[in-house]
Amino acid sequence: GAGVSQSPSNKVTEKGKDVELRCDPISGHTALYWYRQSLGQGLEFLIYFQGNSAPDKSGLPSDRFSAERTGGSVSTLTIQRTQQEDSAVYLCASSPRWWAETQYFGPGTRLLVL
Amino acid sequence: ELKVEQNPLFLSMQEGKNYTIYCNYSTTSDRLYWYRQDPGKSLESLFVLLSNGAVKQEGRLMASLDTKARLSTLHITAAVHDLSATYFCAVDIRGYGGSQGNLIFGKGTKLSVKP
Repeated sequence: GAGVSQSPSNKVTEKGKDVELRCDPISGHTALYWYRQSLGQGLEFLIYFQGNSAPDKSGLPSDRFSAERTGGSVSTLTIQRTQQEDSAVYLCASSPRWWAETQYFGPGTRLLVL
Repeated sequence: ELKVEQNPLFLSMQEGKNYTIYCNYSTTSDRLYWYRQDPGKSLESLFVLLSNGAVKQEGRLMASLDTKARLSTLHITAAVHDLSATYFCAVDIRGYGGSQGNLIFGKGTKLSVKP
């Protein structure tokens, strides 16, 4: 079956612009997670959703970052007024439920802020 | 602060040799995962370790978990070039409180297996 998909696969933007990153989880997976992977910080948790609600937003690095999930499926991570330090690979993962052991990762969106 | 420390961070091996990657963590957890990442690719789940003493094996890789020592190991037997990748351990802190989300990742071990 289809895995987790993310779009765009690559995004180049100018400092100060807003960007939207999209994640389509595996069908039926109720839990969805966003991570960021950068050279300096490694893999960092950003936020997770259980259904449409986000019980844990603790990893969002600043108030420029927000995320939503609609219909218990697609999620969008929005970064406003991008900064160069936002350049990273943004990974999305999903699992059948929050407590499930295995998270299935998407291919990621490579964001470069010039 | 919760920490997950992997070592070594870089490992260059010759084919046919054995080696172990270590993952130490600083918090209470009895769930730990190992992932593989190829260059430019996403994370692939390798092992799920769910209790103290858990041992899983797949091909030339074997992972173990000692929750009392807060240590997991990934042992490579008779390495082959196809194993070249970056390996991450991740400690699952869901259900243990705290505010760092769910998985805390190590920095990864970049493995290069040379002929």
